[in-house]
Amino acid sequence: QKEVEQDPGPLSVPEGAIVSLNCTYSNSAFQYFMWYRQYSRKGPELLMYTYSSGNKEDGRFTAQVDKSSKYISLFIRDSQPSDSATYLCAMSPNTDKLIFGTGTRLQVFP
Amino acid sequence: DAGVIQSPRHEVTEMGQEVTLRCKPISGHDYLFWYRQTMMRGLELLIYFNNNVPIDDSGMPEDRFSAKMPNASFSTLKIQPSEPRDSAVYFCASTLSPRFRYFGPGTRLTVL
Repeated sequence: QKEVEQDPGPLSVPEGAIVSLNCTYSNSAFQYFMWYRQYSRKGPELLMYTYSSGNKEDGRFTAQVDKSSKYISLFIRDSQPSDSATYLCAMSPNTDKLIFGTGTRLQVFP
Repeated sequence: DAGVIQSPRHEVTEMGQEVTLRCKPISGHDYLFWYRQTMMRGLELLIYFNNNVPIDDSGMPEDRFSAKMPNASFSTLKIQPSEPRDSAVYFCASTLSPRFRYFGPGTRLTVL
């Protein structure tokens, strides 16, 4: 079993929809949870960062962490075609180690 | 800030040839990471350095792969000899805080 599991998609939604992206994990030592966005033929870029449990909101993006269920989510409100990208979750214990999910490809069509 | 710089952006080579990928980290960052990304396996950490010293190379697939960081502003990843299964996108990333990664644009390697 992989430490981090992520549905590869693709997920295709109309513009304006609410998008939910999810990851599950098995290592209870993970404390730091991140979402990276990767546009086609580009490097991943840090989108959201959360420490431990709870929610964090940044504009149209909300990150949620449920440590009891070992489940993290990224919600995108009012999705735009410019949100079309691959979204990778990543998580870390309190060390240098950072484990990435394989990414979910999102397509937002006009 | 120019961000992480990688060269070349694309490399096509024949099996058996030596390949050298180059990375210039963000100035002031003291961690540097090399990753490989494929559709099947996602992002895999190959090796990382802290203050120019290799810390963990357990992800380097085999002896054909080697990495160096001769100074704080330059690193290389070398594959010798290259094989078709090495075809992937190779990313370099740097950071001050080891929990974050700032990725370069990647080198797309094709080994024929």
